Amino acid sequence: DVKVTQSSRYLVKRTGEKVFLECVQDMDHENMFWYRQDPGLGLRLIYFSYDVKMKEKGDIPEGYSVSREKKERFSLILESASTNQTSMYLCASSEGDTYNEQFFGPGTRLTVL
Amino acid sequence: AQKVTQAQTEISVVEKEDVTLDCVYETRDTTYYLFWYKQPPSGELVFLIRRNSFDEQNEISGRYSWNFQKSTSSFNFTITASQVVDSAVYFCALSVLRDGQNFVFGPGTRLSVLP
Repeated sequence: DVKVTQSSRYLVKRTGEKVFLECVQDMDHENMFWYRQDPGLGLRLIYFSYDVKMKEKGDIPEGYSVSREKKERFSLILESASTNQTSMYLCASSEGDTYNEQFFGPGTRLTVL
Repeated sequence: AQKVTQAQTEISVVEKEDVTLDCVYETRDTTYYLFWYKQPPSGELVFLIRRNSFDEQNEISGRYSWNFQKSTSSFNFTITASQVVDSAVYFCALSVLRDGQNFVFGPGTRLSVLP
């Protein structure tokens, strides 16, 4: 079974802090994704990566950056957290073409005070 | 641009009732894929089905069935004889075949199945 894990289920940070969200997958998938989920808006893609050290902006990359130094790990970075970044963050991975089925982690609920 | 609409924000049914979740999509691409995911209270999205744009056959998997109609750009999901364990948020998603990532989720429908 594919397993996607995220470093924290719940996280509380203060405005202006630098925040790291970590995601690890164990199935050697090429593609990894970061989404944020907000009520009524569904999932919105922040960034994705189709290979190590490669990254592409999604629909809402502003205020975020990512890092993929190893194939199994994809990090989302909030350089200076703001209250409007309070949200549920979901990581996913998929193999091969980017339109293939995605496997999701349990999510990290981030609260920025 | 691609778009997915799930007009039903929340649905409540009583156990054993049938329920249909609507999904309408927009795309100018002729090759695309449609998905349904389930997000139970635990939070982790679970893949349910993927269909490509060239396969309009309806699909049945146990109590679940999907109706894909290109003429109306719809990909509806029906749960027959619903159970309390079906309570979740259901997302419809669209992916097109082109360079770069293009995977769009709908806003989701929260289904509550009452005992």
